[in-house]
Amino acid sequence: KAGVTQTPRYLIKTRGQQVTLSCSPISGHRSVSWYQQTPGQGLQFLFEYFSETQRNKGNFPGRFSGRQFSNSRSEMNVSTLELGDSALYLCASNPSGSQETQYFGPGTRLLVL
Amino acid sequence: GENVEQHPSTLSVQEGDSAVIKCTYSDSASNYFPWYKQELGKRPQLIIDIRSNVGEKKDQRIAVTLNKTAKHFSLHITETQPEDSAVYFCAASGYSSASKIIFGSGTRLSIRP
Repeated sequence: KAGVTQTPRYLIKTRGQQVTLSCSPISGHRSVSWYQQTPGQGLQFLFEYFSETQRNKGNFPGRFSGRQFSNSRSEMNVSTLELGDSALYLCASNPSGSQETQYFGPGTRLLVL
Repeated sequence: GENVEQHPSTLSVQEGDSAVIKCTYSDSASNYFPWYKQELGKRPQLIIDIRSNVGEKKDQRIAVTLNKTAKHFSLHITETQPEDSAVYFCAASGYSSASKIIFGSGTRLSIRP
């Protein structure tokens, strides 16, 4: 099976803009989670979608939102970008949720200027 | 809220020696504890996991121990090799697939030749 893919891989935006990131999970996986990774902060959980519903949410402001489509593909949106949003955004998928291996994508590296 | 603390943040060991990384979790309902390895420029990958019904699990040079009473779990790598150099993340999640998975802040392990 093809692995988790993310597009785009790199992105440069300016403060105040918005951005949409995309994640295609492994075929058959219904759970998609999003993480923000910054140096020294580890993997900060953003949210998890399962069968098109947000099932869990981390402690991020409302500027961060997401959705999942019927084919399990997921998008993440960040509005009104801030310099501190510069990070590697990783998505991960698995068949049903947190009790199974998370298969990570390669990430989207976002730079906000 | 749920929290996973991981120590140390950086660790340097001589090739051939052992390395130990420790994590503490706050949610007593946690029952699944995976460990992920992230090599430089690559995505995190599962290396070993343990569930709360066992106290120890071993896979070749890697072992994980769990103390549910103290809410501690640890990763042990014996006979370290250069390819063990990476960032290691511990994580904890609750009793169902719908639970959140919370990651520690990561440990950067360097193996000295």
